[in-house]
Amino acid sequence: AQSVAQPEDQVNVAEGNPLTVKCTYSVSGNPYLFWYVQYPNRGLQFLLKYITGDNLVKGSYGFEAEFNKSQTSFHLKKPSALVSDSALYFCAAPTSRGTDKLIFGTGTRLQVFP
Amino acid sequence: ETGVTQSPTHLIKTRGQQVTLRCSSQSGHNTVSWYQQALGQGPQFIFQYYREEENGRGNFPPRFSGLQFPNYSSELNVNALELDDSALYLCASSLSGRPTGELFFGEGSRLTVL
Repeated sequence: AQSVAQPEDQVNVAEGNPLTVKCTYSVSGNPYLFWYVQYPNRGLQFLLKYITGDNLVKGSYGFEAEFNKSQTSFHLKKPSALVSDSALYFCAAPTSRGTDKLIFGTGTRLQVFP
Repeated sequence: ETGVTQSPTHLIKTRGQQVTLRCSSQSGHNTVSWYQQALGQGPQFIFQYYREEENGRGNFPPRFSGLQFPNYSSELNVNALELDDSALYLCASSLSGRPTGELFFGEGSRLTVL
């Protein structure tokens, strides 16, 4: 069965510092992987996706993610965090290849301090 | 471009009652998915509708049912409510035929079961 795991419930970082939010995956075949963000009292917003190709994927709001097949990881990164980046971040993968039915991780709360 | 809208935003029910949640998909999107997000958890896939037919279902009992209408809007119905049904219910729309994992979410309906 496909699964994604987010090992950290919360990540704290100072504004201006680089941030990393971790995700590991267990999927069959070549993985499709996604990151979504949820701001307080809002629905989820798509950030970026890895389908194939370059291991470094660029997305919205200056975020990027690094796909690492040997470590089965897909960590979300940003070179310089903003206070407005504070939100809940979810890693996701399709329940089966080629579908839009997603399985999400448990989420990581990012707190960026001024 | 009209985004995904859900109603009601909040509601309170008692155990054993029934509830109907509504969703209008993003303009041009023909596929609607429903997710349940319990407090502190990631969204869990309930089911997906395409062309008014159920197109996949997660691990939810039959008392969770849905409809999709010709205009692609959708309803989620839950019968015989249980306390554990308290959650944020998220609707997401997408365009079938191009499964990219990029879902467009509404802001959700927060259900409290007492």
